Amino acid sequence: DTAVSQTPKYLVTQMGNDKSIKCEQNLGHDTMYWYKQDSKKFLKIMFSYNNKELIINETVPNRFSPKSPDKAHLNLHINSLELGDSAVYFCASSPGTEGTDTQYFGPGTRLTVL
Amino acid sequence: LAKTTQPISMDSYEGQEVNITCSHNNIATNDYITWYQQFPSQGPRFIIQGYKTKVTNEVASLFIPADRKSSTLSLPRVSLSDTAVYYCLVVYSGGGADGLTFGKGTHLIIQP
Repeated sequence: DTAVSQTPKYLVTQMGNDKSIKCEQNLGHDTMYWYKQDSKKFLKIMFSYNNKELIINETVPNRFSPKSPDKAHLNLHINSLELGDSAVYFCASSPGTEGTDTQYFGPGTRLTVL
Repeated sequence: LAKTTQPISMDSYEGQEVNITCSHNNIATNDYITWYQQFPSQGPRFIIQGYKTKVTNEVASLFIPADRKSSTLSLPRVSLSDTAVYYCLVVYSGGGADGLTFGKGTHLIIQP
């Protein structure tokens, strides 16, 4: 059983398109995250939800919109894709919101914008 | 916000003990030190976490001196499969975005 899963694994699209990445966790965790890892390997937090409520919203273009239909799912929708959006996007989950909670990461979605 | 500094890369050989040091001069009272490991094409995986002195689990040990301005991740008897990027994070126990940015990490390469 995959603890944190993401789909798709690879996403290649043209500039200006709208795309979504889905994330699901079966760990029963209350908190989920989206991270972006750029070509230099920096892994930066974008959003975090706790029980479907947005709790972390970093400086991210408003073209990025997370949606949490339930606490096991956190999807990421990106409008009007730009070249700079090309990166690997990781979803993660943790039991709660404590900084000391272990985060469990998904396998990542490699987004390439042409 | 405690920032961390760690070597960009390290090399070692199978069977050796590897120590990766992380500096975090501005660590605060309620901050914890956490290490993650990332293999190519995978998400990071938690290795170990500590507050002070020494923590040991089945994978690694974490040494934290009394002033807590640095910490050392120790991997005993490494194998080729330990080749990965290792990230040091300083996280506030109360949560929040601070500390959730992973830096470049240390790229550890293990040779036969």
